[in-house]
Amino acid sequence: NAGVTQTPKFQVLKTGQSMTLQCAQDMNHEYMSWYRQDPGMGLRLIHYSVGAGITDQGEVPNGYNVSRSTTEDFPLRLLSAAPSQTSVYFCASCGQGGQPQHFGDGTRLSIL
Amino acid sequence: GNSVTQMEGPVTLSEEAFLTINCTYTATGYPSLFWYVQYPGEGLQLLLKATKADDKGSNKGFEATYRKETTSFHLEKGSVQVSDSAVYFCALNSNYQLIWGAGTKLIIKP
Repeated sequence: NAGVTQTPKFQVLKTGQSMTLQCAQDMNHEYMSWYRQDPGMGLRLIHYSVGAGITDQGEVPNGYNVSRSTTEDFPLRLLSAAPSQTSVYFCASCGQGGQPQHFGDGTRLSIL
Repeated sequence: GNSVTQMEGPVTLSEEAFLTINCTYTATGYPSLFWYVQYPGEGLQLLLKATKADDKGSNKGFEATYRKETTSFHLEKGSVQVSDSAVYFCALNSNYQLIWGAGTKLIIKP
């Protein structure tokens, strides 16, 4: 009964480093998305995917890449980390439009 | 475009008080509406939802009614507990994308 699994839970990076945040879901959901949550700003959509092989940009895509090679996995890549990317990142999935999204527990990322 | 507006927090109440957190939305068509809750240090959990006008979502003593005429989806609870302290997010679903309010922090004092 895993749902949406995000790894790692915490990460500290230096400016300029790259890394990949992992997200996997076992519910056979077509739709997956990445959000960042910053104090006082709610959640902002970074990238999303409506199915394997299909991705699109959300509200704040700059500095991030995604790919969707399988239905289960939707990794988020930071190409060259910047302090402005310090945030909590959430991955979510849902099966159909209009259905509730299921969230992972989040990744707390600090960029020094 | 679509948007969600929530009342600003924090909202501080005493235990057993009545709670209302206002949420209004702007949207084309007939989106589904949601309330999510985030307890300290945790991810977001769906609290309740409504998929069409006049629907009432309810869970854990919380209720919200989808009011198309006032474009609102206010969250209410008759008697709050300390364990209800969390951040509450109103959201609407436009196709596959969720449009979020900024969140309202609720603090319940014993």
